[in-house]
Amino acid sequence: QLQLQESGPGLMKPSETLSLTCTVSGGSISSSFHYWGWIRQPPGKGLEWIGSIYSSGSTYYNPSLKSRVSISVDASKNLFSLNLSSVTAADTAVYYCARLNGDYDPHNYFDPWGQGTLVTVSS
Amino acid sequence: EIVLTQSPGTLALSPGERVTLSCRASQSVSSNYLAWYQQKRGQAPRLLIYDASSRATGIPDRFSGGGSGTDFSLTIARLEPEDFAVYYCQQYGSAPLTFGGGTKVDIK
Repeated sequence: QLQLQESGPGLMKPSETLSLTCTVSGGSISSSFHYWGWIRQPPGKGLEWIGSIYSSGSTYYNPSLKSRVSISVDASKNLFSLNLSSVTAADTAVYYCARLNGDYDPHNYFDPWGQGTLVTVSS
Repeated sequence: EIVLTQSPGTLALSPGERVTLSCRASQSVSSNYLAWYQQKRGQAPRLLIYDASSRATGIPDRFSGGGSGTDFSLTIARLEPEDFAVYYCQQYGSAPLTFGGGTKVDIK
């Protein structure tokens, strides 16, 4: 059964760069035809797609975050990562990683999801 | 960008009742590429419906999705205690991928 697990710092200061990792188990990123994505959810609010990546390194980003976001993949370690620069309190959220359904398709629905990790930005 | 508006924002119902949630898109969703998720407090979203009307694996048949173009719906035929949660729609017909603001289904 495919499982995803996010990891990273829970507390950050404004202007720092957020770095999160999503480790995939029960399946291989390199032999999968899927895109892998990041989604976030501010406390008490809705969901926002951040971006997605394929095992080859091909990426798609939400235009609203594109200038600050970078997503990378390390297929040898079966994980992908999110970097978000110059964070502010508005970036406080639960960050989820998930697999996109469909072969070679960056525009699809998400299933399954990781459990999520809360990142708080505060001075 | 396609904006998804979900209504109502919150509703309070009793177990056994039937409920229909709405998701309206600001423009037509290509190929009716719309999904529905359920999120319980403190948990990740769970896929319920994809392609507007196809149930995901393991989802009970009391959940059904419908609609096309700009108007979509999620119906729960008979609310079970475990169905009280927040429901989100998501379109994947065009970039960027977008979600609705959610509908909370509360116990009356």
